[in-house]
Amino acid sequence: DGGITQSPKYLFRKEGQNVTLSCEQNLNHDAMYWYRQDPGQGLRLIYYSQIVNDFQKGDIAEGYSVSREKKESFPLTVTSAQKNPTAFYLCASSIPSAAGGPYEQFFGPGTRLTVL
Amino acid sequence: SQQGEEDPQALSIQEGENATMNCSYKTSINNLQWYRQNSGRGLVHLILIRSNEREKHSGRLRVTLDTSKKSSSLLITASRAADTASYFCATALYIQGAQKLVFGQGTRLTINP
Repeated sequence: DGGITQSPKYLFRKEGQNVTLSCEQNLNHDAMYWYRQDPGQGLRLIYYSQIVNDFQKGDIAEGYSVSREKKESFPLTVTSAQKNPTAFYLCASSIPSAAGGPYEQFFGPGTRLTVL
Repeated sequence: SQQGEEDPQALSIQEGENATMNCSYKTSINNLQWYRQNSGRGLVHLILIRSNEREKHSGRLRVTLDTSKKSSSLLITASRAADTASYFCATALYIQGAQKLVFGQGTRLTINP
């Protein structure tokens, strides 16, 4: 059963705390992405990675950090420097554009983060 | 920054009717993709149209692309209650060899039984 899993589904954080969101895929995709979605809005790109041990900032990277130590995993840390972290976070993966393409992105079910 | 602007922001129709959603964008693109999102869920890819294509079909979906007007439309024919969802267009740009998707704000579609 291939796909992308995100955990937890709901996450509550106190102000000033760092929190890490998990994203795992078994689609054998090289490229992975993190997006943020605010109510009634589209998605905005936080970070993306085209290959293991490499990642780039997206449009709204400030206050976030990522790592890509394994092909299957791309965790996102929301740090205390992120001023307004309450949002819906979506992880996605795809075949990298270097392989030809274009290609669609496959999305996980999302994590809803609330800062108390 | 969000490149895509979708119109209308919300659309409510009766089951069986056709639904048309429009997307406009600002810069040259490699391809344009449409996604669907049920409330509180992840996005599901619907259809991809390349910049050198003008129309594409998939089941009850029809997508058109007019690069001269920088616009695209998604038509859902014979709508069903299960089509109720938000629909997003995403323009694909290539930056340093990587495809980046820029999403519009979406159209919230409600199909009334």
